[in-house]
Amino acid sequence: QVQLKESGPGLVQPSETLSLTCTVSGFSLTSYNVHWVRQPPGKGLEWMGVMWSGGSTDYNSALKSRLSISRDTSKNQVFLKMNSLQSEDTTTYYCARANWEAPFDYWGQGVMVTVSS
Amino acid sequence: DIQMTQSPASLSASLEEIVTITCQASQDIGNWLAWYQQKPGKSPQLLIHSATSLADGIPSRFSGSRSGTQYSLKISRLQVEDTGIYYCLQRYSNPWTFGGGTKLELK
Repeated sequence: QVQLKESGPGLVQPSETLSLTCTVSGFSLTSYNVHWVRQPPGKGLEWMGVMWSGGSTDYNSALKSRLSISRDTSKNQVFLKMNSLQSEDTTTYYCARANWEAPFDYWGQGVMVTVSS
Repeated sequence: DIQMTQSPASLSASLEEIVTITCQASQDIGNWLAWYQQKPGKSPQLLIHSATSLADGIPSRFSGSRSGTQYSLKISRLQVEDTGIYYCLQRYSNPWTFGGGTKLELK
């Protein structure tokens, strides 16, 4: 069955770089797009960016200077790296699957990241 | 960026009541609109895509409609399990943007 699972550190120091991994199963990264979405505690959802099935990427312009998304299709993994973390980056990060018809039909369970010294 | 103005921010309704949530897009987004339900501590769940298409496994009491740049999610007969926060999403152009959310509670 389709599954996505985020992994990464729960705590990151201010100004440091966050590295997250989304490991997928049940579908191919070359057939579906994988997006990253984040949600601060008690707040709404923010789209961060996407790894398109063809291997290109797009980013939210608000984060573009700090954000990088890549993948390893042999390992069924999509990676997120974001630098210069600040307290406002304390949030739950989700990866989610999408295709042309159904956006975010499957989500990971999310990983909570706290930015604090 | 396309702004999605969602209303109401919160809503209290009775069992079996009809509930409607709306999202107003700041510009034309065609049918590139989806709706999600999120329960506390859980990931969002896709309800409606392409403005009016019911996602797999979603009960038929949920429906979506469009009038110009205004989109609506209707729950025809509210059930206990329908409580949660609802979000709309536009994917017409980057950045994809969500509405601010509607918290739906039982009266």
